[in-house]
Amino acid sequence: GQQVMQIPQYQHVQEGEDFTTYCNSSTTLSNIQWYKQRPGGHPVFLIQLVKSGEVKKQKRLTFQFGEAKKNSSLHITATQTTDVGTYFCAGQASYDKVIFGPGTSLSVIP
Amino acid sequence: GAVVSQHPSWVICKSGTSVKIECRSLDFQATTMFWYRQFPKQSLMLMATSNEGSKATYEQGVEKDKFLINHASLTLSTLTVTSAHPEDSSFYICSARPADIVTYEQYFGPGTRLTVT
Repeated sequence: GQQVMQIPQYQHVQEGEDFTTYCNSSTTLSNIQWYKQRPGGHPVFLIQLVKSGEVKKQKRLTFQFGEAKKNSSLHITATQTTDVGTYFCAGQASYDKVIFGPGTSLSVIP
Repeated sequence: GAVVSQHPSWVICKSGTSVKIECRSLDFQATTMFWYRQFPKQSLMLMATSNEGSKATYEQGVEKDKFLINHASLTLSTLTVTSAHPEDSSFYICSARPADIVTYEQYFGPGTRLTVT
């Protein structure tokens, strides 16, 4: 079945450093979504990428969708302590099925 | 906008009893709601997809007779854990997809922490 992988599992960065998490799907996706879950909280939708090669930016966050629509990345520039949390990618291969990656847990050292 | 609530936020029950968890979309209609289970420091595992007015679609390995899902209206889905056992203790999260916009994003409820003693 469809699998979604993410690396790294954990990332500790000094405040101000950049951070990147990578997401790979075993199958071609119709779209990919990114979510952020703060410790003790629930996942919050960040963005959705649909087009092959798409790049979207949200302030310090840059999201990319691969040309083959099987991989994606999230890059945070100049991390802040408010960026702490687990970032999940979620791949959608069919209308009613979204598979979440295992997540990348980001710690930011002030 | 796009707020999803869950009730209760936490529940403790005895082994063998049943527990019902409600998921409501407060300011939008959702033809599709999803139920996930999340173990500590792990990802969300899709349990089932709930469509209003029809039977839920369960993921492989999820017992439909144990996890009863009802999606009676466009704003409410319920998950009933029947004959709960300690291994059912987990964090259950629902999400809802708005019916009136062309998007695949989901809005998550705050989750329900279930502890079975």
